[in-house]
Amino acid sequence: KAGVTQTPRYLIKTRGQQVTLSCSPISGHRSVSWYQQTPGQGLQFLFEYFSETQRNKGNFPGRFSGRQFSNSRSEMNVSTLELGDSALYLCASSLDVSSGNTIYFGEGSWLTVV
Amino acid sequence: GNSVTQMEGPVTLSEEAFLTINCTYTATGYPSLFWYVQYPGEGLQLLLKATKADDKGSNKGFEATYRKETTSFHLEKGSVQVSDSAVYFCALSPRNTGNQFYFGTGTSLTVIP
Repeated sequence: KAGVTQTPRYLIKTRGQQVTLSCSPISGHRSVSWYQQTPGQGLQFLFEYFSETQRNKGNFPGRFSGRQFSNSRSEMNVSTLELGDSALYLCASSLDVSSGNTIYFGEGSWLTVV
Repeated sequence: GNSVTQMEGPVTLSEEAFLTINCTYTATGYPSLFWYVQYPGEGLQLLLKATKADDKGSNKGFEATYRKETTSFHLEKGSVQVSDSAVYFCALSPRNTGNQFYFGTGTSLTVIP
């Protein structure tokens, strides 16, 4: 069974640009969540989608947005990139939104903003 | 609020040494607790979990017990191997909030032969 797939794995963008990251969850998983990982702030929750609806959102500015498609695939977008957005962006999927679920991570997308 | 406090690293141990990584949490209600491991250049992998008080999670020789009275979920392994070198994250998932996880800062473990 394929795991969580994230594309692209590595990308370099210029300050002010925008970026779109993609995530394909494990087959049958309907919940997708996104996390930002940086050396200074650690792992921080961005948002979660289930059945194409955003269920939860972390404490990030409106430049960070996402969506989920009917096949459960998800994208996140960051507009007007800042140097501080350089990070590893991790997508995680889970069967549903029941309490105690395990979330399964992809390998992440490394974003460097120059 | 919800938060996880994890033992600061880095930790360096000799092969076959005993490992403890401390983790305490603050949460509303009774969360589920997790340990994830991250190898260099990879995403996080589930190591073990416990969903209610006094549950013990175990996997690959690692163990952690959900202690409600001390709000702790310490990770232990009796005999570490070089292949255990990685970063370990303690995390909690509050009840009834979907899959919004709160992670500790991570503890880097290096095991030397």
